[in-house]
Amino acid sequence: QVQLVQSGAEVKKPGASVTVSCKTSGYTFTDYYIHWVRQAPGEGLEWMGTIYPDVDTTSHGHKFRGRLTMTRDTSTNTVYMELTSLTSEDTAVYFCAREKPATLYFDFWGQGTLVTVSS
Amino acid sequence: QTVVTQEPSFSVSPGGTITLTCGLSSGSVSFTYSPTWYRQTPGQAPRTLIYNTNIRSSGVPDRFSGSIFGNKAVLTITGAQADDESDYYCVLYLGSAIYVFGTGTRVTVL
Repeated sequence: QVQLVQSGAEVKKPGASVTVSCKTSGYTFTDYYIHWVRQAPGEGLEWMGTIYPDVDTTSHGHKFRGRLTMTRDTSTNTVYMELTSLTSEDTAVYFCAREKPATLYFDFWGQGTLVTVSS
Repeated sequence: QTVVTQEPSFSVSPGGTITLTCGLSSGSVSFTYSPTWYRQTPGQAPRTLIYNTNIRSSGVPDRFSGSIFGNKAVLTITGAQADDESDYYCVLYLGSAIYVFGTGTRVTVL
């Protein structure tokens, strides 16, 4: 069965960087986009960006350009999301989610990873 | 900066009809934005209800339907039940692999 399993919670200081992983299984890794979505405490969902593992192309939300890097490892079917220059406003649960190309929606989601930015 | 607007909250009585809208800060929502609707309960990942404007995701009952009405995408839920209480989000595709979530609507079944 399709699974997206994310790495555990992180606590970071302002100005630091964080990397969250999303390990996939149960499908052909290179056939699907992986998106990153976050949710600050008590707030709504926010789309951050996407990576297409087949050709290693990425697309970023305007807000995250310059701070967000998404990479993939085809040997372990894992996608990584690195966010730099963290501030308290980056405290959120970060989700990865899968999209079959051209369907324009996310059909499977990871369980979420809480990132807390605090001095 | 594209802002996708939703009602902050919606209250309905059991058995009633829930109508949620998804609009753009400037412009009209059309089929080309391929509106998707997700539902999220606290502490959980979102779940797809409707995609490509009006296609129900697998396992979603036909009480849920999507459409475009006027200049907005609309999610309609008939026969409201207690477990329809959730946060509902629309997502619009802006092209060039860019998406934007709506502000979300909290639905309460009183």
